[in-house]
Amino acid sequence: DTGVSQNPRHKITKRGQNVTFRCDPISEHNRLYWYRQTLGQGPEFLTYFQNEAQLEKSRLLSDRFSAERPKGSFSTLEIQRTEQGDSAMYLCASSLNQGNQPQHFGDGTRLSIL
Amino acid sequence: GQNIDQPTEMTATEGAIVQINCTYQTSGFNGLFWYQQHAGEAPTFLSYNVLDGLEEKGRFSSFLSRSKGYSYLLLKELQMKDSASYLCAPTLSGGYNKLIFGAGTRLAVHP
Repeated sequence: DTGVSQNPRHKITKRGQNVTFRCDPISEHNRLYWYRQTLGQGPEFLTYFQNEAQLEKSRLLSDRFSAERPKGSFSTLEIQRTEQGDSAMYLCASSLNQGNQPQHFGDGTRLSIL
Repeated sequence: GQNIDQPTEMTATEGAIVQINCTYQTSGFNGLFWYQQHAGEAPTFLSYNVLDGLEEKGRFSSFLSRSKGYSYLLLKELQMKDSASYLCAPTLSGGYNKLIFGAGTRLAVHP
């Protein structure tokens, strides 16, 4: 069990650029979640995958955000035309698809928009 | 809507006991998770309650009252490394454990 892996750890970009983050979940985990966390707040749910199917998207996820999990393993989160308000920590978590299994989080990608 | 309420900050002394309270109002409820998060790090799972009562896990215990929409996390024999944020996260019924996090309680443990 190597844990949930996210990269890059940090991303600094200019406003208006596109960015893509990657998440590699724990290998046997079917469920994958993306959250966003800003300073002093708890993580906010963005989206959920069960295998390759994206089953829920938060209203926080505007049209500029898209997430994929093409083969039911790793996932990507893309933000197009980044804005200042997108600066945050983007966390990925995964869990088993059995009852109330805990989610295991990656260390996150910290996005800073200049 | 969903509302989770926790104290923003708490301080305690090494070796002492501290209780972190959480009240919640959610549209549907399944169970409640507690996570620990050190600054700049990922949240890590501490405990899960689905039934009323106390769950004990070493130095950490968590309590749930479903009828009151109330939970607490009890930390015993505090150590300096317990200085962290503690996140209360109910999950909604009928789903796949979407976590609804509170803002968290920042605990500072002093010698």
